[in-house]
Amino acid sequence: GAVVSQHPSWVICKSGTSVKIECRSLDFQATTMFWYRQFPKQSLMLMATSNEGSKATYEQGVEKDKFLINHASLTLSTLTVTSAHPEDSSFYICSATDTGSPNEKLFFGSGTQLSVL
Amino acid sequence: AQTVTQSQPEMSVQEAETVTLSCTYDTSESDYYLFWYKQPPSRQMILVIRQEAYKQQNATENRFSVNFQKAAKSFSLKISDSQLGDAAMYFCARGAGGTSYGKLTFGQGTILTVHP
Repeated sequence: GAVVSQHPSWVICKSGTSVKIECRSLDFQATTMFWYRQFPKQSLMLMATSNEGSKATYEQGVEKDKFLINHASLTLSTLTVTSAHPEDSSFYICSATDTGSPNEKLFFGSGTQLSVL
Repeated sequence: AQTVTQSQPEMSVQEAETVTLSCTYDTSESDYYLFWYKQPPSRQMILVIRQEAYKQQNATENRFSVNFQKAAKSFSLKISDSQLGDAAMYFCARGAGGTSYGKLTFGQGTILTVHP
């Protein structure tokens, strides 16, 4: 079945550095991908919608300059957390829609735990 | 804001018994989807069941079924013959149709404990 690969699964970085998270659709083309953020024991909050070949659409309250999203191909979207700070520590999850399937299907990546020291 | 509400932060059930998780939602759209996702400790999101709003028939997937009350904007999940492996966080979610398919709004989640 269709799979979304997210890498890395966890990352630790120093405050002030940038971290890139990749989200790949392995056997389907994903025109649209989504990025969510989840704090411990809380819900998933949509951060942005990533569209191939165009600028991402950010949800209200999400800093565009801090969370850079690039969707350069139909199988890859990246989220870069720039100048990370401890408050950016969270679990980040991507998802992708397979609009080519008979019934539109949605797949989630396995998530990335970011810890900023 | 269009919200999804899960009023039960925690639920528990005895193995082999039945449990129902509640969810209500708000939407102004006519074309939308509702989902229940399971998130075990691994934090991988696992689709439990999906309901298209235009379908009156309640979706079922083996031991999992929903009670979809469109007018009341209610979407509860019933787990029958509960198993230890069902223990997890469960999220109700609403998504739009069309080009916005996949853009989900999640409820707060319900932690389900299954007692042997």
